[in-house]
Amino acid sequence: EVQLVESGGGSVQPGGSLRLSCAASGFTFSTYWMHWVRQAPGKGLVWVSRINSDGSDTSYADSVKGRFTISRDNAKNTLYLQMNSLRAEDTAVYYCARDPCTAGVCYFNYWGQGTLVTVSS
Amino acid sequence: DIQMTQSPSSLSASVGDRVTITCRASQSFRTSLNWYLQRPGKAPKLLIYAASSLQSGIPSRFSGSGSGTDFTLTITSLQPEDFATYYCQQTDSTPYTFGQGTKLEIK
Repeated sequence: EVQLVESGGGSVQPGGSLRLSCAASGFTFSTYWMHWVRQAPGKGLVWVSRINSDGSDTSYADSVKGRFTISRDNAKNTLYLQMNSLRAEDTAVYYCARDPCTAGVCYFNYWGQGTLVTVSS
Repeated sequence: DIQMTQSPSSLSASVGDRVTITCRASQSFRTSLNWYLQRPGKAPKLLIYAASSLQSGIPSRFSGSGSGTDFTLTITSLQPEDFATYYCQQTDSTPYTFGQGTKLEIK
């Protein structure tokens, strides 16, 4: 059974840092692209970042570029999101999602349960 | 960036109804369009990928169509578990933008 389990969320002051993790199981993690998507309370889904299967290529939303870093450890079947210089507007539930992305067909077919990040003084 | 606009933003319908949700892109692309359902407090769930391909395990009452800038999600014979929020998403180019969501409520 495919499972994605996020952890690392919590409360942090503006300007602080957090590292989110997404532990994957039930599939060959190293063959899939992975994403982070966030959802502010009561709002819609916003794509945050993407990493390809071997970690050599990444992409970010403009709102987090230069502050967030996506990475993965294929030996540990784990995806990460290092979040620095956090702002109040980064407050959201953060989801990791799996993407088969084959022959240019990309979609998020499994999602974790989400982890809440609250940025507040 | 490609902007995705869904309509309507909310919709009231009854069990057994047929409903259609539309998604319009600010730039044309072929079929890199996905549809998700999200129930309150839960993670999104993939329904349709590549505009018209039904995800495994999703009931056949869900269908998708379109290409270019205009896409639709159709649900025939609404069931109680279908009342939720629906999102479209383009994966033609990063950032992979989502529509603002369509909340489907029971009439």
